[in-house]
Amino acid sequence: QVQLQESGPGLVKPSETLSLTCSVSGGSIMSDFWSWIRQPAGKGLEWIGRIYTSGSSTYNPSFESRVTMSLDTSKNQLSLRLTSVTAADTAVYYCARDPVQTNAFDIWGQGTMVTVSS
Amino acid sequence: DIVMTQTPLSLSVTPGQPASISCKSSQSLLHSDGKTYLYWYLQKPGQPPQLLIYAVSNRFSGVPDRFSGSGSGTDFTLKISRVEAEDVGVYYCMQSIQFRTFGQGTKVEIK
Repeated sequence: QVQLQESGPGLVKPSETLSLTCSVSGGSIMSDFWSWIRQPAGKGLEWIGRIYTSGSSTYNPSFESRVTMSLDTSKNQLSLRLTSVTAADTAVYYCARDPVQTNAFDIWGQGTMVTVSS
Repeated sequence: DIVMTQTPLSLSVTPGQPASISCKSSQSLLHSDGKTYLYWYLQKPGQPPQLLIYAVSNRFSGVPDRFSGSGSGTDFTLKISRVEAEDVGVYYCMQSIQFRTFGQGTKVEIK
């Protein structure tokens, strides 16, 4: 079955760029749509954006100016870049499958913790 | 932005008893395609969220039938007919008619 695994630096300095990768196994990234969601410690869930098989994306307006999502079909991975980070971006970041059939996140990665601190 | 409001924010339930969580959206979640884009997730301690219910009332694969969803327009409910110990965690509703937004979460614990 499809499995997702997030990876990336656990510590990012303020004003720098957060870059994460989500590796997809058991299926092709070209078969579905994908989303990134984050969760600050002890808080709720916040959707960051969705990337389509065409490579185009829809972003939460709250992140629009800072976020870029992309697909690497050769590696079966999706990526997230968030620029100009602050302490408020400290969170667990999840990737999730976001299929058009249900329009919901039906498979999630385990998440990766990112701390923004100097 | 569509705001999702859940009540209550916490719930303590005796095993075997029912539980109910309400979710209200600031705008109708009924799309012109006839579908209603309301979902329920459970986040168990230390785990990512898992999909329970999609499109208001459809149980996702493997979800026990003690979970049920109902509602329409802007008012929705998740019901657990008989709470079990494994049902503890935080329940979130989510809309996807316009971007995606989650409710604040309802923490369910066992008495």
